[in-house]
Amino acid sequence: TQLLEQSPQFLSIQEGENLTVYCNSSSVFSSLQWYRQEPGEGPVLLVTVVTGGEVKKLKRLTFQFGDARKDSSLHITAAQPGDTGLYLCAGGTGNQFYFGTGTSLTVIP
Amino acid sequence: SQTIHQWPATLVQPVGSPLSLECTVEGTSNPNLYWYRQAAGRGLQLLFYSVGIGQISSEVPQNLSASRPQDRQFILSSKKLLLSDSGFYLCACSENTEAFFGQGTRLTVV
Repeated sequence: TQLLEQSPQFLSIQEGENLTVYCNSSSVFSSLQWYRQEPGEGPVLLVTVVTGGEVKKLKRLTFQFGDARKDSSLHITAAQPGDTGLYLCAGGTGNQFYFGTGTSLTVIP
Repeated sequence: SQTIHQWPATLVQPVGSPLSLECTVEGTSNPNLYWYRQAAGRGLQLLFYSVGIGQISSEVPQNLSASRPQDRQFILSSKKLLLSDSGFYLCACSENTEAFFGQGTRLTVV
């Protein structure tokens, strides 16, 4: 079983602040995804990165894949209450997808 | 695009009773299918994955089993539920580098 560690586990910030979530592994992945999950629902895909060093932007969200394809970060600029949720990274290798430990984000209005 | 149907949404079962959770996929053929379990507010634990009919790989030995009787049908079962089987179960399918999820089943074993 592949292990992806996310940090921090919990994060509570004020609206308008910036934040970064990290996803780290000792394994190399062919691709890495970030998902956001609302309580009682399945995760929804935000982005996929496949190339070492790749940076993708989705509005106020910036995703980066590490050069060695073992880690990734998610940076949110000017967080809004609608960003509240559980953020999960997932690494793809072969036929399997392994998920990170999750970061629970709360943005306070 | 694919759609994943998972039911029931919630389930309360007594200890020792059997379990059958069903997942079906539309909009794709020969998908890779997955069952995950999630503890509250935490990451997903991969339980089983399947690359084709009758082909099941188990990631974690436990009180559960999976079957894939049809190309787009994936079933999670147990003969006798334990209290520790409680959790949020998610079915997923993958295409290329991305996984897509059903809405999940909240299982409470009492």
